Amino acid sequence: QSVLTQPPSASGTPGQRVTISCSGSSSNIGSNTVNWYQQFPGTAPKLLIYSNNQRPSGVPDRFSGSKSGTSASLAISGLQSEDEADYYCAAWDDSLNGYVFGTGTKVTVL
Amino acid sequence: QVQLVQSESELKKPGASVKVSCKASGYTFTSYAMNWVRQAPGQGLEWMGWINSNTGNPRYAQGFTGRFVFSLDIAVSTAYLQITSLKAEDTAVYYCARVYLGYCSSPSCFFSYYGVDVWGQGTTVTVSS
Repeated sequence: QSVLTQPPSASGTPGQRVTISCSGSSSNIGSNTVNWYQQFPGTAPKLLIYSNNQRPSGVPDRFSGSKSGTSASLAISGLQSEDEADYYCAAWDDSLNGYVFGTGTKVTVL
Repeated sequence: QVQLVQSESELKKPGASVKVSCKASGYTFTSYAMNWVRQAPGQGLEWMGWINSNTGNPRYAQGFTGRFVFSLDIAVSTAYLQITSLKAEDTAVYYCARVYLGYCSSPSCFFSYYGVDVWGQGTTVTVSS
């Protein structure tokens, strides 16, 4: 079981803003930055956000990340059908001395 | 271009061993560490550990000690994951993925500031009698 908790699902209509939460603790999100990954069925994950709010080259600015205390959020603004995927948060955990992924959130575009 | 190409899917019997390869190209292999991530059918991502391509030191996550071995062949820019005494519950897709070592001296630093930015396509390992 993961130490980072995400809602199992989130949904929205095209054009809406969707937010995904990631709840952790002082040993992971509270001490280190958060990364977010996007995964389509049958494919490898892709780095979407690193260091809380930085987008790798090529990631649309519709995706944004934030962190406060021991929680983080990923926002998708102007939701598009191609955003339908699974999203995972991740952070280094100082207590476990390892990298931990969140439980994952499936985003559905209605 | 930068890519990680993994070996083909494997079907193994319980008790057997498997070795998954991950060939890197398009970047300086020793400037990045290699991670291994497991995804069981219908489940989420699980970090198995990493190996420092600069020093060759592996670190294993809890639950991945004993039967799991990370190794490198720097001459051919390839990382390996070997699993021994396979069990049915090892059935999963295994991904290799790199993280930039940068100027960091600790894993909390490079995982935090760079993220795991390039992933292999995944290797499906099926364990069944």
